[in-house]
Amino acid sequence: VQLVESGGGLAQRGGSLRLSCAASGFSFRTYVMTWVRQAPGKGLEWVSTIRGSGSTYYADSVKGRFTVSSDKTKNTLFLQMNSLRAEDTAVYYCVKLGYCSGGSCEDAFDVWGQGTMVTVSS
Amino acid sequence: SYELTQPPSVSVSPGQTASITCSGDKLEDTFTFWYQQKPGQSPILVMYQDSARPSGIPERFSGSKSGNTATLTISGAQAMDEADYYCQAWDSSTAVFGGGTKLTVL
Repeated sequence: VQLVESGGGLAQRGGSLRLSCAASGFSFRTYVMTWVRQAPGKGLEWVSTIRGSGSTYYADSVKGRFTVSSDKTKNTLFLQMNSLRAEDTAVYYCVKLGYCSGGSCEDAFDVWGQGTMVTVSS
Repeated sequence: SYELTQPPSVSVSPGQTASITCSGDKLEDTFTFWYQQKPGQSPILVMYQDSARPSGIPERFSGSKSGNTATLTISGAQAMDEADYYCQAWDSSTAVFGGGTKLTVL
């Protein structure tokens, strides 16, 4: 099971970036996928979730600016980030939701990617 | 907004027991999850559903909850357990993380 993020880098305030997350080793279409970020030296912050049904959820801090989507044919998760702010500077992790054991799955973040750094310059 | 409160730091001597708490108004009604993050690494799941240990996590890690306070306990802490620990819970479809606790083993 592996998640590999890409697309991070330097962006200007007000600019855009699109993050990608390539998933392998599990049935991508079956699981809920999430983006979690971590500002330098700070804690973890949930950003967005997308369910297999296509339902999406966003943190208030990114609502209206970020859009999560997925391509199930390519096992890839995306995060389109627009109107970037300095406070969006962080490592962005792609995370699989759903730890499964003994035939049941629980709502735990059980597989994390290595993260991709996003820096927004002011 | 819903908040989870953790102590910023906890220290423990090698071989002793470390307890990291997580408090939140709604914890009594929902499950708590715990993640370990070592410097430069991605977090890993160390406890789910308050007290269930994922496969591969050592038995010295245990979890409990009383009322609105969840506790991650490391019995016989080792140097390799030195890390940041985060609790997490769900508020409807929103994931909430605690601020994190830096565990020092010395």
